[in-house]
Amino acid sequence: DQQVKQNSPSLSVQEGRISILNCDYTNSMFDYFLWYKKYPAEGPTFLISISSIKDKNEDGRFTVFLNKSAKHLSLHIVPSQPGDSAVYFCAAPPGSGNTGKLIFGQGTTLQVKP
Amino acid sequence: NAGVMQNPRHLVRRRGQEARLRCSPMKGHSHVYWYRQLPEEGLKFMVYLQKENIIDESGMPKERFSAEFPKEGPSILRIQQVVRGDSAAYFCASSRGQNDEQYFGPGTRLTVT
Repeated sequence: DQQVKQNSPSLSVQEGRISILNCDYTNSMFDYFLWYKKYPAEGPTFLISISSIKDKNEDGRFTVFLNKSAKHLSLHIVPSQPGDSAVYFCAAPPGSGNTGKLIFGQGTTLQVKP
Repeated sequence: NAGVMQNPRHLVRRRGQEARLRCSPMKGHSHVYWYRQLPEEGLKFMVYLQKENIIDESGMPKERFSAEFPKEGPSILRIQQVVRGDSAAYFCASSRGQNDEQYFGPGTRLTVT
């Protein structure tokens, strides 16, 4: 049962344009979401997060939007840069009684073309 | 401040052998998580440990897999009698507290031949 889903395996964007990465979840108990970025041969690194009490969180070029009614979140990168080319994972702690583990989506590979 | 360290980075084992993966958390971190990433998939939680205690092993396969985090030394993920399906990247993460940010190591890529 895939509770966090990233339905687009890959995305290609021109440098300077907006990248939009999407993530859906099925469990309404999720109340906190994270985005991780992963380069080849490295571990994931934390990028940005959002609590369910908010619908938007911004950090520089990165903005995450949360639509609780649709159980959907998206990561916007503006402007996209070639160094942003990586795999992006959305993740969520499973909710009440959480022991700290994270549930990850399958990932979306972003390619930013110069 | 060194990050999370994992070794070896690459490990090749024949079917039936044992694999031992090591994880040294960041300084000051006493919470360790192990995740597995199969090809073309996301990371899947395996186990969460604190020093000398397994807190949550709900993601661990029932057989052949075990994990420990002793009072001294790194956390160890042990896979006995490996099979080809165990081939994956295994990531360790550490955090200062239970719900604090998790910092990931570079992973160990296990190949079973």
